[in-house]
Amino acid sequence: EAGVAQSPRYKIIEKRQSVAFWCNPISGHATLYWYQQILGQGPKLLIQFQNNGVVDDSQLPKDRFSAERLKGVDSTLKIQPAKLEDSAVYLCASSPSRSGNTIYFGEGSWLTVV
Amino acid sequence: AQTVTQSQPEMSVQEAETVTLSCTYDTSESDYYLFWYKQPPSRQMILVIRQEAYKQQNATENRFSVNFQKAAKSFSLKISDSQLGDAAMYFCAYRTPSGGGADGLTFGKGTHLIIQP
Repeated sequence: EAGVAQSPRYKIIEKRQSVAFWCNPISGHATLYWYQQILGQGPKLLIQFQNNGVVDDSQLPKDRFSAERLKGVDSTLKIQPAKLEDSAVYLCASSPSRSGNTIYFGEGSWLTVV
Repeated sequence: AQTVTQSQPEMSVQEAETVTLSCTYDTSESDYYLFWYKQPPSRQMILVIRQEAYKQQNATENRFSVNFQKAAKSFSLKISDSQLGDAAMYFCAYRTPSGGGADGLTFGKGTHLIIQP
């Protein structure tokens, strides 16, 4: 079974530029999450999708971050304009359903803003 | 809001020895799930073990076991016969069951586990 796929793995941009990250969850997983992990901290949930609808985006900085999950499969997370403090690993994860099932993570997209 | 606390930023253990990583959490829920994830330098989060709060029996996965104390809101991870490949960051995480709202994981700050050869 293929895992959660993310791209790009690494990205370096200048502040005020834009960046987009892509995620393809495990086939059949209805729930998709984006987490932000700043160096030295645990991951923080940014947004949760159930199929193509948003369940929770309370911690998403909506003035600069946006995310979509068209057709309820893959998802894109965008940052525009980027700030230095956005430097982090962006982890995508998926789960079969909104129950106690395990959440599976991708390898992450490393963002450095200079 | 739920919180997860890992009070040990770093732990060190000799290869083949046993080590215990601590985790406490705060919640008003009675039904929830607890997890330990391992994160190597590649940054991918790998599930180590999970525990359902309604189960009194502690979960075990090969060399990994937990001590779940629901009343004390404590969830520690014991690694027996430590191996060099166990070296990584370990995160304790909490998840509420689905109920129409958000059910993403809440993570602690992590414990860096060092294995001494």
